Amino acid sequence: GDSVTQMEGPVTLSEEAFLTINCTYTATGYPSLFWYVQYPGEGLQLLLKATKADDKGSNKGFEATYRKETTSFHLEKGSVQVSDSAVYFCALGDAGNNRKLIWGLGTSLAVNP
Amino acid sequence: EPEVTQTPSHQVTQMGQEVILRCVPISNHLYFYWYRQILGQKVEFLVSFYNNEISEKSEIFDDQFSVERPDGSNFTLKIRSTKLEDSAMYFCASSTGPAGELFFGEGSRLTVL
Repeated sequence: GDSVTQMEGPVTLSEEAFLTINCTYTATGYPSLFWYVQYPGEGLQLLLKATKADDKGSNKGFEATYRKETTSFHLEKGSVQVSDSAVYFCALGDAGNNRKLIWGLGTSLAVNP
Repeated sequence: EPEVTQTPSHQVTQMGQEVILRCVPISNHLYFYWYRQILGQKVEFLVSFYNNEISEKSEIFDDQFSVERPDGSNFTLKIRSTKLEDSAMYFCASSTGPAGELFFGEGSRLTVL
């Protein structure tokens, strides 16, 4: 079945460092891909998404490109801030149907000043 | 900003007891969901609900589980006779449509002793 694999954490970075969190997937068909973020004490929030191959999702300085050839959707940010400390989840859903998202394990990011 | 709210934030119960987790979705949303995350594991889809009926459910969502929208605002998840393995964080979500963004609550942590 469909699945998502993301790099294990925790990831600890200094402020202004470059961030990459790897995410790869297996799926039949053409899924939509998502990154969700969970800040401490809060719910899961959609960070960005891409619905087809070569799409780039971006938000709050974060980017991820839907790479069908490598079945990847890596999350990147050029310069992280302390406020980016959170848990990041990669997820996939059937195109046009987000009812049943399939999730990665989550990667905890801690950014130190 | 409208948000999904969940109560209780944490519930401790004895094995075999019934538990009801409550959610107030965003008011103009029509699709409702429950997900759960067992500690150290992936977030898992449980059930989606639309037009007062279940539209999709996972194999986890067995006869011990039920969902209900008892009035115009609440969406509940009932676990009839809790087991130790039901201990998890339960997330409620809502969306405007099947392909719409899911908005999640902060989660209800259930601990079964």
